[in-house]
Amino acid sequence: KQEVTQIPAALSVPEGENLVLNCSFTDSAIYNLQWFRQDPGKGLTSLLLIQSSQREQTSGRLNASLDKSSGRSTLYIAASQPGDSATYLCAVRRVNNNAGNMLTFGGGTRLMVKP
Amino acid sequence: DAGITQSPRYKITETGRQVTLMCHQTWSHSYMFWYRQDLGHGLRLIYYSAAADITDKGEVPDGYVVSRSKTENFPLTLESATRSQTSVYFCASRGDGQETQYFGPGTRLLVL
Repeated sequence: KQEVTQIPAALSVPEGENLVLNCSFTDSAIYNLQWFRQDPGKGLTSLLLIQSSQREQTSGRLNASLDKSSGRSTLYIAASQPGDSATYLCAVRRVNNNAGNMLTFGGGTRLMVKP
Repeated sequence: DAGITQSPRYKITETGRQVTLMCHQTWSHSYMFWYRQDLGHGLRLIYYSAAADITDKGEVPDGYVVSRSKTENFPLTLESATRSQTSVYFCASRGDGQETQYFGPGTRLLVL
């Protein structure tokens, strides 16, 4: 059974700092990995999706990397801003998955960026 | 409204009552999903649907029933609510051939 772990569970940083969020998964036979953002009381918004054949994806100040063999992904946020405060979740899709791309989610990292 | 919506946004009910959570999407996405989010468990898939009249179980289906008579709607019913079903429920959808899932705003359910 795939298990996804995110460390740390919570993180507080001053504005402007570069930071890294970590995601690890136990089964390396993944189809892709996604990073989501969740604001309090809101749904999830997809940030980046990395296919299993890719090493990284970038969107603005966000960069996500994937090392499938070691079962790890990182989300790098450059020059953090208070508006980046949210919970960040990673989710993996298994290769042999008939559940319409059933995702297995990590528990999330709750990020607070202080002005 | 365009996108994916859920109703109600908040619901309080009692043990043993039947509750239906609604999900509606305007994109004509083939796939729809129901998740529950709990502290310590993250998001877990309850049921999903690949198309109208096609549904299947996810990771935690017990105590839930779904239907999909129309592509745009995917209601989730708790036939006899239990306290353990207190949670935040998210509906999501994705288009056929797409990878990204789009999530609704969630329904907070409290079972007393």
